[in-house]
Amino acid sequence: AQKITQTQPGMFVQEKEAVTLDCTYDTSDPSYGLFWYKQPSSGEMIFLIYQGSYDQQNATEGRYSLNFQKARKSANLVISASQLGDSAMYFCAMSPHSGYSTLTFGKGTMLLVSP
Amino acid sequence: EADIYQTPRYLVIGTGKKITLECSQTMGHDKMYWYQQDPGMELHLIHYSYGVNSTEKGDLSSESTVSRIRTEHFPLTLESARPSHTSQYLCASSESRGIGNSPLHFGNGTRLTVT
Repeated sequence: AQKITQTQPGMFVQEKEAVTLDCTYDTSDPSYGLFWYKQPSSGEMIFLIYQGSYDQQNATEGRYSLNFQKARKSANLVISASQLGDSAMYFCAMSPHSGYSTLTFGKGTMLLVSP
Repeated sequence: EADIYQTPRYLVIGTGKKITLECSQTMGHDKMYWYQQDPGMELHLIHYSYGVNSTEKGDLSSESTVSRIRTEHFPLTLESARPSHTSQYLCASSESRGIGNSPLHFGNGTRLTVT
């Protein structure tokens, strides 16, 4: 079974600053994928970034980067140059690369970006 | 680029009514999912399907049922709604390629209130 832990219920950051959202995970699967999703107040879930457990380099997508530390089982999301539109809930999730896998989500972190 | 559609967006209904939440996707994805999410909380998988005529129960016990008669359509039905069913229901789909590394594409969700 997989478990995702997000220990920050809420984070505050000023516009244009960088922010790191923490995510640790636990799994016995040798191969897996890690995902981050953004959920604005409107409710839809938006896929941000993916990291495979065997990827040698940390994933990046525009202003988003994933700080993957396999030995520590952490997959923190870094948002550079925060914008007001980044205010939302952020969910970390994982899925094993085996069998008929499904996605397990963490409890989420609410990010508020102030002017 | 919403290629996965959920209707209705909001639903307020009385106890004991039968309801069906609709979900359709135009991406040709084999895999489809239903997640339940209480406000500000994590997502819990309640049903999933890996193709036509294939349905499975998820991690969270649910009194709802699903069907998958067509690839693009994955409706969720509650035979007798109760106040405890009040929640947001999110439908998602993903490609079959590379188990574990295909991101989920979500619909906008249905916010259900049972009075």
